[in-house]
Amino acid sequence: GAGVSQSPSNKVTEKGKDVELRCDPISGHTALYWYRQSLGQGLEFLIYFQGNSAPDKSGLPSDRFSAERTGGSVSTLTIQRTQQEDSAVYLCASSRPGLATYEQYFGPGTRLTVT
Amino acid sequence: RKEVEQDPGPFNVPEGATVAFNCTYSNSASQSFFWYRQDCRKEPKLLMSVYSSGNEDGRFTAQLNRASQYISLLIRDSKLSDSATYLCAVNSGGSNYKLTFGKGTLLTVNP
Repeated sequence: GAGVSQSPSNKVTEKGKDVELRCDPISGHTALYWYRQSLGQGLEFLIYFQGNSAPDKSGLPSDRFSAERTGGSVSTLTIQRTQQEDSAVYLCASSRPGLATYEQYFGPGTRLTVT
Repeated sequence: RKEVEQDPGPFNVPEGATVAFNCTYSNSASQSFFWYRQDCRKEPKLLMSVYSSGNEDGRFTAQLNRASQYISLLIRDSKLSDSATYLCAVNSGGSNYKLTFGKGTLLTVNP
C-alpha cells in the first residue's frame, strides 16, 4: 500500500519568509509525528498528533513553528519568518496506535534550505 | 547521561563479516525499542522492533537487556547492501508514542 508522502521534497526559501510543509500519512494511521533532522544530527521530535489533536507539542523549537491536522489525515507544518538555523530535513511519520509497539513509518522528508 | 546513545562508528567490515551494534538508554521505564536503517539522504526505514525475548529476521538479530539498559543489533554474513546508518529508537518512558532516537551508527561493508 501507499506509504507516508510529503511535499514538497525540496524547498529553498529566503530568510524571513513563511513555509508550509505537508504530510499525508498511511491510510488508517491515526497517529502522526513531525521530526527534524539537521546535518549530521539525530532525529529531533517536534510534535505528535492523535487524530486532529496535538497532545504533545513539546518539541516545537519556537512559536514560529506550528502544525495542524485536519480530518484526521493530512498535516501541515508551518514555519513563520524562517531563519537559517531552520534549514534541515523535516520528516513526518505515522503509526497505528493499538499496536503494542507503536511502530512509526517515515515519509521521504522535505529538505528545507533557508538562504 | 544522554537519553539514547550509540557508538557513531564508523564500522568498516568486509563482506561476510558479523557485526554488532549496541544502544544504551537511560529511562528504565522505556517499553518499546526499535532499530531503523537510514541510507544517505533517505528517510529512516523500520528494520525491527525489539522484543523482550529477542527476535530474529533472517541475518538480523535484535536483543534487549533490561538490566543493563541496552539493545543490540547483530548482522550476520554482511552484504554490501547493508551499508547504511543504523538508528536505535526508544520510547520516552512516560509515553508510548514518543520515540527518542540515537544519532546512529554508520556501517560500511567493503567488498
